[in-house]
Amino acid sequence: KQEVTQIPAALSVPEGENLVLNCSFTDSAIYNLQWFRQDPGKGLTSLLLIQSSQREQTSGRLNASLDKSSGRSTLYIAASQPGDSATYLCAVDTGRRALTFGSGTRLQVQP
Amino acid sequence: NAGVTQTPKFRVLKTGQSMTLLCAQDMNHEYMYWYRQDPGMGLRLIHYSVGEGTTAKGEVPDGYNVSRLKKQNFLLGLESAAPSQTSVYFCASTEGTSGRSSYNEQFFGPGTRLTVL
Repeated sequence: KQEVTQIPAALSVPEGENLVLNCSFTDSAIYNLQWFRQDPGKGLTSLLLIQSSQREQTSGRLNASLDKSSGRSTLYIAASQPGDSATYLCAVDTGRRALTFGSGTRLQVQP
Repeated sequence: NAGVTQTPKFRVLKTGQSMTLLCAQDMNHEYMYWYRQDPGMGLRLIHYSVGEGTTAKGEVPDGYNVSRLKKQNFLLGLESAAPSQTSVYFCASTEGTSGRSSYNEQFFGPGTRLTVL
């Protein structure tokens, strides 16, 4: 059974800092990995999707990498801003055409 | 495009009552999903559908039923609500693919917050 773990569970940083969120998964036979952002009381917003054949994806200040063989992904946020404060979720598609989620990293960026 | 919409946004039920949650998408997506999110546990898959008229069980299907009579709608039913079903319910959809690979990102609705007393 696929299990997804996100470390740390919570993170507080000062504005402007570069930071890395970690995601690990137990079964390397994935089709893709997706990073989401969730604001309190809101739904999920897709940030980046990495196909199993790709090593990384970039969107603005966000960069996500994927190492399938080691079962790891990282989300890099450059020059963090208070507006980045949210919970970040990692999810993998193991071919059931549905996602297995981690429990998230709650990020707070202090002004 | 409205994307994925869910009704209702909030609901309070008493134990034993029934209700139906409605999910609608206007992106002509083939695949639709129901997840539940509990504190500290991430999202877990309840049921999903890979096309009109089809449904399948996910990780935590007990106590729920679903129907996909129209491509754009996916209904989640609770026949006899229990306090353990207090949760936030999310619907999602994706375009779907042929073959075994799924390259498309999932789009989520805003969620339904359900409390069962």
